Amino acid sequence: EAQVTQNPRYLITVTGKKLTVTCSQNMNHEYMSWYRQDPGLGLRQIYYSMNVEVTDKGDVPEGYKVSRKEKRNFPLILESPSPNQTSLYFCASSITGQGSYEQYFGPGTRLTVT
Amino acid sequence: AQKVTQAQTEISVVEKEDVTLDCVYETRDTTYYLFWYKQPPSGELVFLIRRNSFDEQNEISGRYSWNFQKSTSSFNFTITASQVVDSAVYFCALSERWAAGNKLTFGGGTRVLVKP
Repeated sequence: EAQVTQNPRYLITVTGKKLTVTCSQNMNHEYMSWYRQDPGLGLRQIYYSMNVEVTDKGDVPEGYKVSRKEKRNFPLILESPSPNQTSLYFCASSITGQGSYEQYFGPGTRLTVT
Repeated sequence: AQKVTQAQTEISVVEKEDVTLDCVYETRDTTYYLFWYKQPPSGELVFLIRRNSFDEQNEISGRYSWNFQKSTSSFNFTITASQVVDSAVYFCALSERWAAGNKLTFGGGTRVLVKP
């Protein structure tokens, strides 16, 4: 089944404790991206990757890191999480980064930082 | 800058009624793409439909149909004969051909509640 998977689905952590949210797609998509969803602010892009080893900042990259060593994986790293990073996170992938193709989203990761 | 507005925050209907969701967008790009996504109570984002800016033909897919009008920058979405399982938040989204990052700009969402 073609899909984007994220792990973990739920995470409660404390301020400053490094964490990684994994994202994997099995559709051989070139493009991958991370969004966060917050009440009143909607969905905002954090980072994106046009292809392997090519990543760039989205609208809200502060406090996050990403890597794209393999085509299928695009982990999101929070090196020192803070409470303002409490959010619902989505990973997405698309055939290419040209905008003409729909993005498929993972199931979401609900993160709480205390 | 691109912007998507969904003026309806919540719509409540009785099962089998039709539901039309409004979406108005702003963009300076001549080539752009419009999408509708569904977010059910379980939280995932599900892709529904896509429309390219150069194709104003309106279509029907099952119980879904859409009305794209470039002249009014609108991309409305209709669910025909709604069902309880249609209860969700629906997002309209826009991406521009030449925008960096293939970013999707989402509207604020419209919550649809279908009552039995």
